[in-house]
Amino acid sequence: DAGVTQSPTHLIKTRGQHVTLRCSPISGHKSVSWYQQVLGQGPQFIFQYYEKEERGRGNFPDRFSARQFPNYSSELNVNALLLGDSALYLCASTNVRGGTEAFFGQGTRLTVV
Amino acid sequence: QQQVKQSPQSLIVQKGGISIINCAYENTAFDYFPWYQQFPGKGPALLIAIRPDVSEKKEGRFTISFNKSAKQFSLHIMDSQPGDSATYFCAASIDGTSYGKLTFGQGTILTVHP
Repeated sequence: DAGVTQSPTHLIKTRGQHVTLRCSPISGHKSVSWYQQVLGQGPQFIFQYYEKEERGRGNFPDRFSARQFPNYSSELNVNALLLGDSALYLCASTNVRGGTEAFFGQGTRLTVV
Repeated sequence: QQQVKQSPQSLIVQKGGISIINCAYENTAFDYFPWYQQFPGKGPALLIAIRPDVSEKKEGRFTISFNKSAKQFSLHIMDSQPGDSATYFCAASIDGTSYGKLTFGQGTILTVHP
């Protein structure tokens, strides 16, 4: 079975631009969470979606938004990029009914120049 | 109150030694405490997790010790191997499962010398 897949793996954007990151959860998993990991820090929670509804939001500005599609894949959108948005963006999926473990993807490395 | 504080930031251990990483939390509503291992270029992978009703949990060479009154928990890696060299994160969750919001510690870079 495929694990959590994220695309793209690497991305370079200019300040002020917009970016869309994508995540496909493990087949059968209906919950997707997004985290931002700045170099040298632990992941910080951004959003959690379950059954296509937002279930949790971290302390991030409104420039960050996300959604979950009927097939349970998800997009994270960031508008008006700042240099400080440079980070590894991680997606995690969980089979809420079948267990408690969150499976993380390899992440998207976003560099804002 | 939502913070999880992790120490040390880095740790160097000889092969066969014991690696110990400590975490402390303030929010008594946390009820699920997982540890994650992350290799460069990879996402975090769950190693072992514990709930507050248990004081210790062991899986292979990995043991979590939990002290509810002190609001502290630690990861012990017995017989540390060079392949254990990675960054380790403790985390905590309020809703009892890892599908909710995970609050991570700052991470510990473990280096195991052959």
